[in-house]
Amino acid sequence: SYELTQPPSVSVSPGQTASITCSGDKLGGKYACWYQQKPGQSPVLIIYQDSERPSGIPERFSGSNSGNTATLTISGTQAMDEADYYCQAWDRSTAKVFGTGTKVTVL
Amino acid sequence: QVQLQESGPGLVKPSQTLSLTCTVSGGSVSSISYHWSWIRQPAGKGLEWIGRIYTSGSTNYNPSLKSRVTISVDTSKNQFSLRLTSVTAADTAVYYCARENGGAEDVWGPGTTVTVSS
Repeated sequence: SYELTQPPSVSVSPGQTASITCSGDKLGGKYACWYQQKPGQSPVLIIYQDSERPSGIPERFSGSNSGNTATLTISGTQAMDEADYYCQAWDRSTAKVFGTGTKVTVL
Repeated sequence: QVQLQESGPGLVKPSQTLSLTCTVSGGSVSSISYHWSWIRQPAGKGLEWIGRIYTSGSTNYNPSLKSRVTISVDTSKNQFSLRLTSVTAADTAVYYCARENGGAEDVWGPGTTVTVSS
């Protein structure tokens, strides 16, 4: 089955850049998207089709996808960005798959 | 603005069938632009995609759950539903319904907690 692997945690200082990776076999050949989930809340889509932002999502969130790795970048990280982040992709054999999730801590 | 709301029993006995409904407001499940999805999340754990349905009734399921899952759509009620048979404690989770747009779930319901216990 297809798997997407993320680092369990990422720490970042306010105002700095956080990068979260999502690794999967030939992931660059698929569309990746990213979700933000805060405690007790439903996930929110923040990146779709590798690098597109839905309306209302701040520009500090950006995405890329190449090779075996998709990356979510948070520029100028704010305290409000502290949350869990999940990548997602579609694979022909497994259908939709979520990544393992990354907890972002803003120190 | 589209809103989704999950509903159904919060407690299901082991070996029985879990049944949930998602009611769509401000939009139509008959729209040709979207799929309608179910996702779950055990407490303290990650997200797991369960499956999706298109207005035509065409479905895709997570292979690990496929033998136990049925997703259906009722266009007259603007709802779609999830049935999961032979549940165990491992099926205890928050269940979300969502709208899939262009490959990503862009609108989510608030989620409903389902506990499997006798």
